[in-house]
Amino acid sequence: KQEVTQIPAALSVPEGENLVLNCSFTDSAIYNLQWFRQDPGKGLTSLLLIQSSQREQTSGRLNASLDKSSGRSTLYIAASQPGDSATYLCAAGPGGAQKLVFGQGTRLTINP
Amino acid sequence: NAGVTQTPKFRILKIGQSMTLQCTQDMNHNYMYWYRQDPGMGLKLIYYSVGAGITDKGEVPNGYNVSRSTTEDFPLRLELAAPSQTSVYFCASSYFIRSESGGASETQYFGPGTRLLVL
Repeated sequence: KQEVTQIPAALSVPEGENLVLNCSFTDSAIYNLQWFRQDPGKGLTSLLLIQSSQREQTSGRLNASLDKSSGRSTLYIAASQPGDSATYLCAAGPGGAQKLVFGQGTRLTINP
Repeated sequence: NAGVTQTPKFRILKIGQSMTLQCTQDMNHNYMYWYRQDPGMGLKLIYYSVGAGITDKGEVPNGYNVSRSTTEDFPLRLELAAPSQTSVYFCASSYFIRSESGGASETQYFGPGTRLLVL
């Protein structure tokens, strides 16, 4: 059974810092890995999707990497801004019907 | 496009009551999903559908039922509400393309959620 873990559960950093969020998964037979952002009281917004054949994806200040052999993915946020404050969730997709398995999320706070 | 819409936004139920959570998508996605999110936790899959008329159980299906009569709609039914079903419910959809290698899917799009309180 796939299990996805995100550490730390919460992170607080000053504005302007570069930071890394971590995601680990137990079953390397994933089809893709997705990173989402969730604002308080809101739904999820997709940030990046990495297919199993890819090593990383970039969108603006965000870069997500995938290492299937070690069961890890990281989300790198460059030059953090207060607007980046949110909960970030990673989810492993086992293929087929894309039944995503989610981590519990990292609550990120960027302090002005 | 409105994307994925959910109604209601918030509901309070008494133990034993029934209700249907509505979900509609206008992106012509073939795959749809229902998740629940408990406080401080990630999302867990309740049911999913790969197309009209086809549904299957996810990780936590007990106490719920679904149907998919059209591509657009995927309602979630709670028959006998219990306090353990207090949660936030999210509907999602995606487009899955089956290829020779097994398939390629686009990202899942989520609705804004329905907050349910069972007392």
